[in-house]
Amino acid sequence: DTGVSQNPRHKITKRGQNVTFRCDPISEHNRLYWYRQTLGQGPEFLTYFQNEAQLEKSRLLSDRFSAERPKGSFSTLEIQRTEQGDSAMYLCASSPGTEYQETQYFGPGTRLLVL
Amino acid sequence: GIQVEQSPPDLILQEGANSTLRCNFSDSVNNLQWFHQNPWGQLINLFYIPSGTKQNGRLSATTVATERYSLLYISSSQTTDSGVYFCAVADTGGFKTIFGAGTRLFVKA
Repeated sequence: DTGVSQNPRHKITKRGQNVTFRCDPISEHNRLYWYRQTLGQGPEFLTYFQNEAQLEKSRLLSDRFSAERPKGSFSTLEIQRTEQGDSAMYLCASSPGTEYQETQYFGPGTRLLVL
Repeated sequence: GIQVEQSPPDLILQEGANSTLRCNFSDSVNNLQWFHQNPWGQLINLFYIPSGTKQNGRLSATTVATERYSLLYISSSQTTDSGVYFCAVADTGGFKTIFGAGTRLFVKA
């Protein structure tokens, strides 16, 4: 069990560019979550997957944001036409999916800076 | 939506001291977790505790769901306990997890 991994760990981009982040959950974890964390704040929920189905989306997830989990394994989060306000840490978590509510295991995050 | 309040916002301890961190939430929850975020940003789960009491080494946690609060106890604090402690809950309707603003702990040697 290698834990949740995220790539890249850091990303610097210019305003208006598109970026894509990848999350690999713990093997055989069915549930996957994306969060955004800005400096000095707690993580904010963005979206949640049960296998390949995206079941909940926050209002924070504007139409510039899209998340996929095509085969129920890894997930990608894409931000189109980035804005300076998108600068944040993007966190991914996974959980087994065997109980209604469970402990979530977090990855190291991808830190995004939009210039 | 559910509101989560943590107190105190900041805490400075001398190594070896004990402390209690509090998490209040505004509605019934199905899930309550405590996390520690280290200085490098990694979130480590400490407890999954929607109700009752659990202990893990120097850490213990108690959740009183009927009164909508949870407490995290740290005994004999060490410098490695420094970081931010978050309480996170999920409401009874789904899997949206709401984090509090955290308690920033600094343990002095």
